[in-house]
Amino acid sequence: TQLLEQSPQFLSIQEGENLTVYCNSSSVFSSLQWYRQEPGEGPVLLVTVVTGGEVKKLKRLTFQFGDARKDSSLHITAAQPGDTGLYLCKGGTSYGKLTFGQGTILTVHP
Amino acid sequence: DSGVTQTPKHLITATGQRVTLRCSPRSGDLSVYWYQQSLDQGLQFLIQYYNGEERAKGNILERFSAQQFPDLHSELNLSSLELGDSALYFCASSVSAGTGAYNEQFFGPGTRLTVL
Repeated sequence: TQLLEQSPQFLSIQEGENLTVYCNSSSVFSSLQWYRQEPGEGPVLLVTVVTGGEVKKLKRLTFQFGDARKDSSLHITAAQPGDTGLYLCKGGTSYGKLTFGQGTILTVHP
Repeated sequence: DSGVTQTPKHLITATGQRVTLRCSPRSGDLSVYWYQQSLDQGLQFLIQYYNGEERAKGNILERFSAQQFPDLHSELNLSSLELGDSALYFCASSVSAGTGAYNEQFFGPGTRLTVL
């Protein structure tokens, strides 16, 4: 069974602070996706990383895939209240196995 | 608005009953994925259909089944319902036949199922 351990589970910070969310596994994934979900809505894809060591930036968000493709991180710089939401990582394999982390609930206070 | 529609939005039923959840993918998308989201299990992939055929299977229980029709809409059937089946059920769609590891999937707003 492939597991994705996501941490921290909860994060409450002030506007302007930086934060990092982690997803770790003992299994190798072909890809790692990060999603953001707001209450009452479905998840929205933020990024897909597929190459070990890959780093992608999306404005104030930086995503990294570990060299061994077993872990990933999401770093947000200068968080804003609009970043508030549930962040989910999802590991995928080429044969169709999809595994989600438990999620990180981020609250950014003005 | 992702373009994916799900009905009904809420469903309340009793243990032992059977329900059907419906999903219409975005125009042009051929793949439909079903997911279950609960507080204790988080988000879990159930099953994927592509152009009417089963493409990939996740943690779908034997009491659950799905199908995709010629017009590409999909239905998820849940039978012999138990209290633990209470959850949010999401449908997502993508244009590709890919397994969901690489594609951008567009999620619907979900159906909240409550089993009493």
